[in-house]
Amino acid sequence: AQSVTQLDSQVPVFEEAPVELRCNYSSSVSVYLFWYVQYPNQGLQLLLKYLSGSTLVKGINGFEAEFNKSQTSFHLRKPSVHISDTAEYFCAAAGNKLTFGGGTRVLVKP
Amino acid sequence: NAGVTQTPKFQVLKTGQSMTLQCAQDMNHNSMYWYRQDPGMGLRLIYYSASEGTTDKGEVPNGYNVSRLNKREFSLRLESAAPSQTSVYFCASRLTGGNGELFFGEGSRLTVL
Repeated sequence: AQSVTQLDSQVPVFEEAPVELRCNYSSSVSVYLFWYVQYPNQGLQLLLKYLSGSTLVKGINGFEAEFNKSQTSFHLRKPSVHISDTAEYFCAAAGNKLTFGGGTRVLVKP
Repeated sequence: NAGVTQTPKFQVLKTGQSMTLQCAQDMNHNSMYWYRQDPGMGLRLIYYSASEGTTDKGEVPNGYNVSRLNKREFSLRLESAAPSQTSVYFCASRLTGGNGELFFGEGSRLTVL
């Protein structure tokens, strides 16, 4: 069975500061890894995904994530956040079905 | 492009009432999913349908039933609603399993009194 743990439930950050959202997964098989974003009162949208190849993955809106197999992590980063990045972020691991972490709520302060 | 459409968007039920959440996708996807979202618990899979004609239980199937009506439509039924089923429900679809991206509907907010 696979599981996904997001280590921070909330991350407050000032505008233009960097942010890192941590995600660890466990799986007995190879996984595909995803980050989704959920803006208030909306469904989830894909930010980026890791399938294979380069461990550094770039996504939309300036986000990137690094796959680390030895640490079973897939942390999400953005070097400079905007107010519009205020949202909830979900890490997910996929086999036949997608397993989500508990989410990290990012609040960007001016 | 409609993508994944869920109805209704909001519903209030009394304990013991039944209802069906409808989901339709127009992307010719094979796999469809129902999740529930609760604060601090992320999204938990209720049921999924890997392809037309098949359905399987997810992590939290108790109290729910599903029907994959055709390739486009996947409904979720609550036969006897309970307050513990108060949640936001999301339908999602993707072309295949494995590495395919999930596309989500906008959610259905259900309150059971």
